[in-house]
Amino acid sequence: DAKTTQPPSMDCAEGRAANLPCNHSTISGNEYVYWYRQIHSQGPQYIIHGLKNNETNEMASLIITEDRKSSTLILPHATLRDTAVYYCIVSAYSGGGADGLTFGKGTHLIIQP
Amino acid sequence: KAGVTQTPRYLIKTRGQQVTLSCSPISGHRSVSWYQQTPGQGLQFLFEYFSETQRNKGNFPGRFSGRQFSNSRSEMNVSTLELGDSALYLCASQPLLGLGSTDTQYFGPGTRLTVL
Repeated sequence: DAKTTQPPSMDCAEGRAANLPCNHSTISGNEYVYWYRQIHSQGPQYIIHGLKNNETNEMASLIITEDRKSSTLILPHATLRDTAVYYCIVSAYSGGGADGLTFGKGTHLIIQP
Repeated sequence: KAGVTQTPRYLIKTRGQQVTLSCSPISGHRSVSWYQQTPGQGLQFLFEYFSETQRNKGNFPGRFSGRQFSNSRSEMNVSTLELGDSALYLCASQPLLGLGSTDTQYFGPGTRLTVL
């Protein structure tokens, strides 16, 4: 699976949009971009995934650049409950294939009141 | 629909003992994966089971093993516990609807294992 690079931490004011970047310059054509988040001491929670088109669901939006080398997860109206570590994962398989999902260190998003 | 459940939620063992952790996937999910999470190494893949067969295995010693039952429930076992095995053990399930499926994984709350 391709590797990803994320900033270690970010702050965002409550009620504002949180934009979390991810670089995946070595992504292959058949690899998806997955986003998960982990609230302290809980299991990771799936947020969204995409291949090349922008995606939106009830939790977030995913913007993937045309060359697919980077993406941005957008939480439109961040709340305190969105404080968590956010993981950007690139994989051809939802389960991660032979090596499972590679979570990396993620971005610790802190929502400020 | 009930989520992924893991038992026990907390466990304390001593070095040299063995431990068995249990995972019940979401109803209808056929694949179960296990991960170990430590502060130093982050989330690391242990293994994946599908239809009672281990399909994939991460880079862990043979002391770590698992199995899956016909009802898709899974157990993992760690023998001869070491201090470094203290971690949060996470189980994830997914339907695996077919080849190339992009259905996603759903994680349980984890079992916090402390080895003294």
